[in-house]
Amino acid sequence: DGGITQSPKYLFRKEGQNVTLSCEQNLNHDAMYWYRQDPGQGLRLIYYSQIVNDFQKGDIAEGYSVSREKKESFPLTVTSAQKNPTAFYLCASRSTGSYGYTFGSGTRLTVV
Amino acid sequence: GESVGLHLPTLSVQEGDNSIINCAYSNSASDYFIWYKQESGKGPQFIIDIRSNMDKRQGQRVTVLLNKTVKHLSLQIAATQPGDSAVYFCAEKRKPNAGNNRKLIWGLGTSLAVNP
Repeated sequence: DGGITQSPKYLFRKEGQNVTLSCEQNLNHDAMYWYRQDPGQGLRLIYYSQIVNDFQKGDIAEGYSVSREKKESFPLTVTSAQKNPTAFYLCASRSTGSYGYTFGSGTRLTVV
Repeated sequence: GESVGLHLPTLSVQEGDNSIINCAYSNSASDYFIWYKQESGKGPQFIIDIRSNMDKRQGQRVTVLLNKTVKHLSLQIAATQPGDSAVYFCAEKRKPNAGNNRKLIWGLGTSLAVNP
């Protein structure tokens, strides 16, 4: 079955550490997105990529970094510069010409 | 039951009743709208979409209404069931010449609680 997979489901980070969240899709979608969701709030765009080897900052990119070396993969690194990283992180993908997003099941990141 | 997303983020309805979830958008350049359902601890799932050249679209137990005059979008769920309990988000896509590169602009969401 085609889909988008995020891992891990739960992640704990010590202060000062960088952590990387995985997002893989086998839908052959060109565009991929990372969102952050805080409790009781909507989705805020961190980074997006419309094609391999290219990505753009979203609305809250500070303290995050991404790469898009393969079409299928769009990992997100939460760096130590992100002062409040505890949140639910969602990855999504979209095919060219379509407007609907397919979402992964999310990664819940907690700073300990 | 009925809600206005930004001012009443929680909607509580009885099982079997119809639910109406509302969403206001501000940009007349938006030409496509989507409703998503997000269950607790999961990613959002597509429910239904509508283009700006339409004012109504029906799916299975759901209907989306678009009123461009007042920039208002609503999602109607018929015969609400406990499995409908979730947060519902509206999202809009703005025309490319208005910027945003086909990114979706998300509403804050409305939490729907279905009472048995």
